[in-house]
Amino acid sequence: DAKTTQPPSMDCAEGRAANLPCNHSTISGNEYVYWYRQIHSQGPQYIIHGLKNNETNEMASLIITEDRKSSTLILPHATLRDTAVYYCIVRIDSWGKLQFGAGTQVVVTP
Amino acid sequence: SAVISQKPSRDICQRGTSLTIQCQVDSQVTMMFWYRQQPGQSLTLIATANQGSEATYESGFVIDKFPISRPNLTFSTLTVSNMSPEDSSIYLCSVGGHRGVSGANVLTFGAGSRLTVL
Repeated sequence: DAKTTQPPSMDCAEGRAANLPCNHSTISGNEYVYWYRQIHSQGPQYIIHGLKNNETNEMASLIITEDRKSSTLILPHATLRDTAVYYCIVRIDSWGKLQFGAGTQVVVTP
Repeated sequence: SAVISQKPSRDICQRGTSLTIQCQVDSQVTMMFWYRQQPGQSLTLIATANQGSEATYESGFVIDKFPISRPNLTFSTLTVSNMSPEDSSIYLCSVGGHRGVSGANVLTFGAGSRLTVL
């Protein structure tokens, strides 16, 4: 699986959009971009994934650049409950394991 | 998605003892994994629990230290043997082999078992 690079931490004001970047310059053509998050004292939770096109669901939006070497997870209206570590993971679509990097610690403040 | 129950949720253990963590899933799943999360760190995969055969361990983890059982498609155990303070971590069970509502091949995680070794 391709390696990803994320900033170690970000602060975000409650009610504002949080834009979380991820670099994956060595991504292969058949690898997807997945985002998970881990709220304190819980296990990681799937957020969203994409291959080429931008994706949106009830939790977030995923913007993938045309060359697929980077992506941005957008939390449109951050709440205090969005405070968590966010992991960007690049992998093929398989039943296999996930390898986690360091992630980005997002702190949403009132 | 699958619902995972882990026991114990937390425990305090003495050095040199062993502890077995249980992972129960509410449905049959193909893939089960065990992760470790040391204090302030990200998740590290320990092994893939294979039903009916020996677990597949990642580099740096060995069966003698972390024996794993998987007797059926809904249950697995991880034992942390001969514990030392360095084994103080959160141990998480994860299941895969199913697709979420979005069609994504997702992993679902338990809440974890927090072990403190004195």
